[in-house]
Amino acid sequence: DAKTTQPTSMDCAEGRAANLPCNHSTISGNEYVYWYRQIHSQGPQYIIHGLKNNETNEMASLIITEDRKSSTLILPHATLRDTAVYYCIVRVAEYGNKLVFGAGTILRVKS
Amino acid sequence: GAVVSQHPSWVICKSGTSVKIECRSLDFQATTMFWYRQFPKQSLMLMATSNEGSKATYEQGVEKDKFLINHASLTLSTLTVTSAHPEDSSFYICSAQSSGRGNEQFFGPGTRLTVL
Repeated sequence: DAKTTQPTSMDCAEGRAANLPCNHSTISGNEYVYWYRQIHSQGPQYIIHGLKNNETNEMASLIITEDRKSSTLILPHATLRDTAVYYCIVRVAEYGNKLVFGAGTILRVKS
Repeated sequence: GAVVSQHPSWVICKSGTSVKIECRSLDFQATTMFWYRQFPKQSLMLMATSNEGSKATYEQGVEKDKFLINHASLTLSTLTVTSAHPEDSSFYICSAQSSGRGNEQFFGPGTRLTVL
């Protein structure tokens, strides 16, 4: 019973912005949107999370729609090393709450 | 900061033997750690929540007597796969949650288990 839906795969040209969408139409008021990515044969890496305001860090930007039913992860200048599976997860940000992974989006950055 | 290690990174064992995998949070304390399993071309599947000083909480369908979890300190959780069989071959990943960092989970690099 995944709470998010993401495209199966996307391609992006190296150096261009990668925009990864995520739908979470049943998100609750106290649930945050988290993004992780997993490069092949490695553990997932935390990218960013947010509640309702847009967020930015050194890795990416997170844009959340005003109704919070969808969001977009933006990698401003994608490199070949950004090729990975990207997971969008909604979760109440309380200590002890688990992360439930869906299928994610396979992002292929091409030169 | 926020580094989680796993040991070993890979292991090959014979069917019927037991294998222990360690998960350590290197620069923060974690009263809660999680264990995941990932089969090829599939997503991560949560196996159990490991709680320091108490029993682990297992997800539905995960055999607690086969996958023994011990969380004896604030920086170490272990997963023991008992009487391993070829179908237990998988990529096992742990994560640790830090209360001081907005409750994000940080993941270890994973352990590749192959049972012959």
